[in-house]
Formats: sequence, C-alpha cells, structure tokens
Amino acid sequence: AQSVTQLGSHVSVSEGALVLLRCNYSSSVPPYLFWYVQYPNQGLQLLLKYTSAATLVKGINGFEAEFKKSETSFHLTKPSAHMSDAAEYFCAVRGSGYSTLTFGKGTMLLVSP
Amino acid sequence: GAVVSQHPSRVICKSGTSVKIECRSLDFQATTMFWYRQFPKQSLMLMATSNEGSKATYEQGVEKDKFLINHASLTLSTLTVTSAHPEDSSFYICSASKAGGRQETQYFGPGTRLLVL
Repeated sequence: AQSVTQLGSHVSVSEGALVLLRCNYSSSVPPYLFWYVQYPNQGLQLLLKYTSAATLVKGINGFEAEFKKSETSFHLTKPSAHMSDAAEYFCAVRGSGYSTLTFGKGTMLLVSP
Repeated sequence: GAVVSQHPSRVICKSGTSVKIECRSLDFQATTMFWYRQFPKQSLMLMATSNEGSKATYEQGVEKDKFLINHASLTLSTLTVTSAHPEDSSFYICSASKAGGRQETQYFGPGTRLLVL
C-alpha cells in the first residue's frame, strides 16, 4: 500500500522568493517518487523523479527535490519563484515493481509580483 | 521526448450518448496506458490500467461496462464512456509508460474535458 500527503492546498510566495512544496509518502516497498506540474486545463508535465539513484534530484525549470528516507519526505524546492511557476503541483509515489501511481491532493502555487 | 496526445481535447454531448476518447503515444511504444479522472480542484483518480492486447484492470468502484477501454496497439488506447450522464462530466487524462525497463515513467496526455448535458 502507498499514499502521499501534500501539506497545504495552497502556497503563496512573492516573485523571487524561495518555493517549498511539501510531500510525505508511505510505501510498503522502496518507492519511486515524482513531482508533476499541471497548468489550467492541461495534463500533467513531469518535473522530476526519484528512482533510487541520487537522493537530490534536479528537474526542469530550476526545481529540485530531495529524497529523505528517515523523514519519508520528498519536498520540492526552487530558489527563486517566477510568475510562470504559478500552477498546481502534484506529488506521486509508485512502489518499485508496481506500475500504478498514487497522487497527492495537489498544492496550488500562487506567485505574486 | 515522450509525447502523449489525446483526442478530442473537449467534447460536449447529450445525456445517453456514448463518447470515445483516444490516447496516443506519438514517439514511443507504450506497453501500459493508464486512464485517470480528475474532478475540479481535486487530484487524479486512477480509473484503469491497460496493457496492450489484454483486458484492462479497473480500480475498485469503476464500472467496467460504463467505461470501456481498448488498448489495441502499442501506441493507442481508447476510453469509451457509454450512455454518458451529467455526473460523468469530468476531465479525463491518460498516461503511457514506455515499453520495458523497471524505472518506467508515466507520460501524461493533455486531457479531455467531457461535459454531458
């Protein structure tokens, strides 16, 4: 069994500020972890993924995430927010050896000028 | 890259009609395709998993006779919403995994918005 918890349905930051979106997971087997971004009325775009290699994963658009097994976390960060980062972000987990993804409820990132 | 397309992007239909949504992997072969449903301001809920050439596996609570899934080739899966009703209105998103490999990633289509009147 696996599950994902994203703390905060909405996160507001100013342009240029640090972005931190939280994700905690539970999985009965070693997990693969993903962050996806969704813009309005569009599908999901993969930002980055952790698949048991390096624990610090760099993705597109300047985002990165760190896998911390002891904390069962996979938080998403970006040093400096851009207006174009405003979107909904989903964390997802998949147990190694399994194909199905389990998504968190999503976090809407709002970026103000 | 790994591009997944969906057609149509938006469809409006009358209650009682059937609607077919296509999901295609454009530049890779997909052994497995997934169908999700997303309600407004909510997360994605997996409806079913389909493997090329075999019957789809439906998640608990999803009516397989209402949501017919066909995965006829390594690049095409279709979802047919039969006898659609207003409560079937939703955003339907498909994803596809590349053939082979234990670390396969799901690549998502742009989604299809269905409105049933």
